[in-house]
Parts: sequence; structure tokens; C-alpha cells
Amino acid sequence: DAKTTQPPSMDCAEGRAANLPCNHSTISGNEYVYWYRQIHSQGPQYIIHGLKNNETNEMASLIITEDRKSSTLILPHATLRDTAVYYCIVRRDSSYKLIFGSGTRLLVRP
Amino acid sequence: DTGVSQNPRHKITKRGQNVTFRCDPISEHNRLYWYRQTLGQGPEFLTYFQNEAQLEKSRLLSDRFSAERPKGSFSTLEIQRTEQGDSAMYLCASSPKGSVDTDTQYFGPGTRLTVL
Repeated sequence: DAKTTQPPSMDCAEGRAANLPCNHSTISGNEYVYWYRQIHSQGPQYIIHGLKNNETNEMASLIITEDRKSSTLILPHATLRDTAVYYCIVRRDSSYKLIFGSGTRLLVRP
Repeated sequence: DTGVSQNPRHKITKRGQNVTFRCDPISEHNRLYWYRQTLGQGPEFLTYFQNEAQLEKSRLLSDRFSAERPKGSFSTLEIQRTEQGDSAMYLCASSPKGSVDTDTQYFGPGTRLTVL
């Protein structure tokens, strides 16, 4: 599975958009980009995933660059409850396991 | 949909004791996963079941660890002769059978183990 690189921490103001970047320059054609988050002392929570098209659901939007070497998770209107560690994971078609890195610690400020 | 449940939520034990954790997956999910997470790190994969068959085990799963899923529903993870290095959060996840596009894993709240 391709390696991902994320900034260790970020912050944003409540009500503003949070844009979390992820670099996956070695991604191959059959690998999906998954995002999870983990609020303190809870299990990871699935957010969204995509292959090459941009995706949106009720939680977030995922923007994948045309060359697929990077992506951005967008929380359109961050709330204090969005404070968590966000993990970007690249997962290939035949792989069942998720390989977590260190993630980005997002702090949403009041 | 009641989600993935894990019991107990917390376990404190003395070094050398055996412990067992239970995971109940989302009903009709036939894939079940165990992960371990130490403080400040992301979760690490331990093992994976499809129905009752254990299909993959990480090298992290030493011979003191054993996992079972006898009827393809709930699973147990047992640690024998616990060591202080086993202190961690043990996470269970389940997913429906499908391609990686649909095989989204949903996690339980975890069992936090403290070995004194």
C-alpha cells in the first residue's frame, strides 16, 4: 500500500472550512483514498473514500488531484466536535487491512 | 444498526494474567478485524476473519495472542501471560463482504487494557 504524508497538526476557527491535506505520491491505479477520524478515546470513524473522482457526503468532501498524488479532506463548517485526529489511508483493491499513519491532529477553536 | 460493540471497555490486570476481550460486529457483516493502538500512534492491524476463517495474522500477533470467531458472528481476542507492553487500546472493526470500494470498516469503541 502507498505511503501517505500528513501534517502533524492544524487548527481552524469554528464555522470555517477545515482543509486537511494528504500526500500520496506513490499511489497506484487500483488504490483508493480513505479518510477516518478518531475523537479522543473513541474508535476510528469512517468519513469518506474515493478513487479518482471528487466525492461528497453528509460529513465531508474529498478532493483528489488529477494525478492522484494528493488529496484534501474538506469539512465545510467545522464545529468543536470535529476536533480529532484525521487519518488519510491508501488502500489497494486486494488489501483488507487499513494501514494507519500518525494522522493530523485538528483543533477547532471557538 | 447498533454498531460494533466491544466488552469490556476497560480492563486492568496484573502481569502474567490472561485476559479475553469480546467483539460483536454489525449484524450481517461477515468480515471482522482486530487492531491495536498504543498511546500517540495510529491503530495497527492484528488479524482478520472472513466468517469463521482467520485469513491473515500480523507479525505483531505473538504466540501469546489468539483470536477466534467460532460461529462467524462474535469474536474473542485472548492474551495469555500478559506483559506491560501489551497495554494498549484493542479495537475491533467489521465490514460487509464486497470490493474495496464497498468494504468500509466500521470500528467499535475499543477495549483499553492496562497491565500493571
